[in-house]
Amino acid sequence: QKEVEQDPGPLSVPEGAIVSLNCTYSNSAFQYFMWYRQYSRKGPELLMYTYSSGNKEDGRFTAQVDKSSKYISLFIRDSQPSDSATYLCAMKGTGRRALTFGSGTRLQVQP
Amino acid sequence: DAEITQSPRHKITETGRQVTLACHQTWNHNNMFWYRQDLGHGLRLIHYSYGVQDTNKGEVSDGYSVSRSNTEDLPLTLESAASSQTSVYFCASSESGTLGTDTQYFGPGTRLTVL
Repeated sequence: QKEVEQDPGPLSVPEGAIVSLNCTYSNSAFQYFMWYRQYSRKGPELLMYTYSSGNKEDGRFTAQVDKSSKYISLFIRDSQPSDSATYLCAMKGTGRRALTFGSGTRLQVQP
Repeated sequence: DAEITQSPRHKITETGRQVTLACHQTWNHNNMFWYRQDLGHGLRLIHYSYGVQDTNKGEVSDGYSVSRSNTEDLPLTLESAASSQTSVYFCASSESGTLGTDTQYFGPGTRLTVL
């Protein structure tokens, strides 16, 4: 079983929809949680970062972490065609600098 | 502007050949990482380095090696390329920050095909 599970999609939504992307994990030592966005044939870029449990909001993006359920989410409000990309969750424990990634969810926002 | 570059961007090689993929960063970051990305597996860690002369194995290190002789570069060598090593390879770097954020910055990737 993988340490981090993520539905690969693809997920297709109409423009303006609210998108929910999720990951589950099994390692209780994970403390830092990130979401990366990867456009086709590009390297991943950091989108959101959250420490421990709670919510974090940045514009149209909200990241949630529920450590008791070992579940993290990324919400995208008012989705745009430019949001079409693969979204990867990533996480790590304290003192460890390498990340463990989910397999990525491919999102397509239809105009 | 600081950046991280990879070369070549595309490479086709034959089984059994030695291949070296270059990674160069101008962020002056201590930490550098090599990942491979395959469909259904996401990004998997191959090797990483926390500084000059430091190297460590990741979860899929068999058949790969790295060396770190300066801060800017971490070349990845495939000792004897195998078809199973056909993949997209990403290099990343990070600077250990406060609260352990260690934001990783990724290069554009190298698409390697082993025939």
